[in-house]
Amino acid sequence: QSVLTQPPSVSGAPGQRVTISCTGTSSTIGTSYAVHWYQQLPGTAPKLLIYGNNYRPSGVPDRFSGSKSGTSASLAISGLQAEDEADYYCQSYDSSLSGYVFGTGTKVTVL
Amino acid sequence: QVQLVESGGGVVQPGRSLRLSCAATRFTFSSSVMHWVRQAPGKGLEWVAVIWYDGSEQYYADSVKGRFTISRDNYRNTLYLQMNSLRTEDTAVYYCVRELEGLDYWGQGTLVTVSS
Repeated sequence: QSVLTQPPSVSGAPGQRVTISCTGTSSTIGTSYAVHWYQQLPGTAPKLLIYGNNYRPSGVPDRFSGSKSGTSASLAISGLQAEDEADYYCQSYDSSLSGYVFGTGTKVTVL
Repeated sequence: QVQLVESGGGVVQPGRSLRLSCAATRFTFSSSVMHWVRQAPGKGLEWVAVIWYDGSEQYYADSVKGRFTISRDNYRNTLYLQMNSLRTEDTAVYYCVRELEGLDYWGQGTLVTVSS
């Protein structure tokens, strides 16, 4: 079961900035384990978007940024574009379960 | 470019078994931690299992513990998932995933449908 909570959906007009929250616990995001973010376009496999809380893999635009504080993390998308319409998932590690965990997922809609 | 190609999915009856394979190419498989992640139709991502680079340790989600076994053959550069006592709720696309900094490369997935 998911132990990281995300809003089901967020939306914004082209060019706007949107943020997606990822709420965990003291055994997940509240630990030293990193938070990672994934983008899943319709009908495709997920793609790593942010790793290590706030690092972008090569090829990911700098419009995407991540942060982590306490038991929560956030993904920000600035200068929203139509191609950013997708599902976004956070992911970390749960020390109480000795397993990896994903967020519940957030659908981003560009108005 | 890293390639991960899953195979072995299909339709299976509840209670039966299935083995998934993942062929890995264009990276040093024997040095990589590998995972299986699944996604039920219309649902979110669910982590299934992880195996250390040398196969020395494996960990599982509670939902599959005792029924699924992750393994690897570093000579054949292949990852496996043996799935026993399958349930209808195991119906999902199963992804083979490499971990480096985050889960950085994903296969295209193979669909497993458990239905009578």
